[in-house]
Amino acid sequence: EIVLTQSPGTLSLSPGERATLSCRASQSVTNNYLAWYQQKPGQAPRLLIYGASRRAGGTPDRFSGSGSGTDFTLTISRLEPEDFAVYYCQQYETFGQGTKLEIK
Amino acid sequence: QVQLQESGPGLVKPSETLSLTCTVSGASISNYYWSWVRQPPGKGLEWIGYIFNSGGSNYNPSLKSRVTLSLDTSKNQFSLELRSVTTADTAIYFCAGDRNNRAWSYYWGQGTLVTVSS
Repeated sequence: EIVLTQSPGTLSLSPGERATLSCRASQSVTNNYLAWYQQKPGQAPRLLIYGASRRAGGTPDRFSGSGSGTDFTLTISRLEPEDFAVYYCQQYETFGQGTKLEIK
Repeated sequence: QVQLQESGPGLVKPSETLSLTCTVSGASISNYYWSWVRQPPGKGLEWIGYIFNSGGSNYNPSLKSRVTLSLDTSKNQFSLELRSVTTADTAIYFCAGDRNNRAWSYYWGQGTLVTVSS
């Protein structure tokens, strides 16, 4: 069973800055089937990125995903106020523990 | 527009069975991968399992002995049954689905809080 480790646990940035979130897998991810979600308090997760780098419908282009094998990255090019949330990566039956993106 | 809505008891006694239903509108459940995910209050996401109309399914190994997922195509619903619950099963339960892949879910219900308590 793959274990996904996200870092950092908490990221403190200001609007307009660039955010880089990491997801590392304990073994190589099959077909780069890695997804990223955004979750805000009281809401369901929202799929942002699938297949490591493909934006889901409705995902703003400031969000981008990259990586392969065991190392994956979610980048938010310029943070908007609505981007401050918790972000999870997923590979089939496994979720990472999440990265909280908070306003500095 | 595909919409999902969870329903079921919000309170279950320890050792009893938690049963939830997800009603799907805007799509036929026959052509999608359907999943359940839960989230203990203040904690991260935990995948429970998925089911597909062809009969394919898979469960979280840590829950496999207690979980059953099923589909009801006549009602366009799918369901979760979790047996012998304990307080550790207290969580928000989400139903989710995707047309193309079981590795992620584009559509999500709003979630329903289930508390296990006597």
